[in-house]
Amino acid sequence: QVTLKESGPGILQPSQTLSLTCTFSGFSLSTYGMGVGWIRQPSGKGLEWLANIWWDDDKYYNPSLKNRLTISKDTSNNQAFLKITNVDTADTATYYCARITMGIGYFDYWGQGVMVTVSS
Amino acid sequence: DIQMTQSPSSLPASLGDRVTITCRASQDIGNYLRWFQQKPGKSPRLMIYGATNLAAGVPSRFSGSRSGSDYSLTINSLESEDMAIYYCLQHNEYPFTFGSGTKLEIK
Repeated sequence: QVTLKESGPGILQPSQTLSLTCTFSGFSLSTYGMGVGWIRQPSGKGLEWLANIWWDDDKYYNPSLKNRLTISKDTSNNQAFLKITNVDTADTATYYCARITMGIGYFDYWGQGVMVTVSS
Repeated sequence: DIQMTQSPSSLPASLGDRVTITCRASQDIGNYLRWFQQKPGKSPRLMIYGATNLAAGVPSRFSGSRSGSDYSLTINSLESEDMAIYYCLQHNEYPFTFGSGTKLEIK
């Protein structure tokens, strides 16, 4: 059974760094072809893809966030991470992580999401 | 970036109706197109992959099709549980891009 769960700080101030964790089970990021992606959704708005990380540590980012993103993983503990630097109110959103299986399953399983508010 | 133009943004429909939602890709994406359903307060759920393939557990009244750069999601015989927002996603090239969403609601 595949599960993913996001965790984060809940609220943070502008200019701080947002650190998010995705803890998953039912698959491994050390397995060929597996990956995890991050997607966010401001309240009442649409979905925005942020970044992917693959089993071989290949990483892809949305250039619209202008180098503010860093994605990483801890294979031993079945976790993936996303950092967003210099946050502002526009980064207020629900953040999701989702599983990727190369060639077959992009975002076939999603976490429940974690709400993050940026406010002074 | 590849733009996914999704229409309509809102779709009032009656139970039992047949409805179609469309995404137009600004560049060739092959069949690297997925459809997701999202209900209020819930995570998106994969409905269609590879433009035309039904994901596991999805009712057969859902179907996907492609005509050139237009990708469509059709729901036959609408049921109340289908009321949700639907998004398309292209994953042919980075950055991945979603359509803006279609809110399917009861007329």
